[in-house]
Amino acid sequence: EAGVTQFPSHSVIEKGQTVTLRCDPISGHDNLYWYRRVMGKEIKFLLHFVKESKQDESGMPNNRFLAERTGGTYSTLKVQPAELEDSGVYFCASSEGPTDTQYFGPGTRLTVL
Amino acid sequence: EDQVTQSPEALRLQEGESSSLNCSYTVSGLRGLFWYRQDPGKGPEFLFTLYSAGEEKEKERLKATLTKKESFLHITAPKPEDSATYLCAVRGPPGNTGKLIFGQGTTLQVKP
Repeated sequence: EAGVTQFPSHSVIEKGQTVTLRCDPISGHDNLYWYRRVMGKEIKFLLHFVKESKQDESGMPNNRFLAERTGGTYSTLKVQPAELEDSGVYFCASSEGPTDTQYFGPGTRLTVL
Repeated sequence: EDQVTQSPEALRLQEGESSSLNCSYTVSGLRGLFWYRQDPGKGPEFLFTLYSAGEEKEKERLKATLTKKESFLHITAPKPEDSATYLCAVRGPPGNTGKLIFGQGTTLQVKP
């Protein structure tokens, strides 16, 4: 069974540009999560989708971040415009139910110059 | 505020030297404590879930235990391939949905 996949694995952009990260969850997993780890800090929750609906977006840092999950399959996380402090590793995870084990993807390392 | 603290930040062991990693948590209404392993450049890999005080789970050389305030990850006779960062996370109370709150992790290095 294929795990959670994320694309790209690395992205280097300049401040002010736009970047879109993609996550493909495990097939059949209705719940999809975005997390990020900035340098020296712990992994922090960004938001939680149940199918195509945003169940919890309490961790989204500001309105420069937009997450979508059209059709309840893959999800995208867009950062527009990117700022220096957005640099870090963005992880996606998925689970069958909201209380089930979350399986993580390999992450996207974002560097904003 | 819900919080997870892991100690030590880093741990160096000789192969075969057993030890324990600590995860202290503060959360109102624990709905699961999770241990993950993370290798460099990869995402967290699930190890265990614990739900209630007194619960224990084992996998190969790893054993996780849970009390009302903390969890321990015991590593028995570790091997170099056990070198990784070990992450502890908790799921908070209802209304918190699936959100996990992570500690900073313990980076373990096992030398042959």
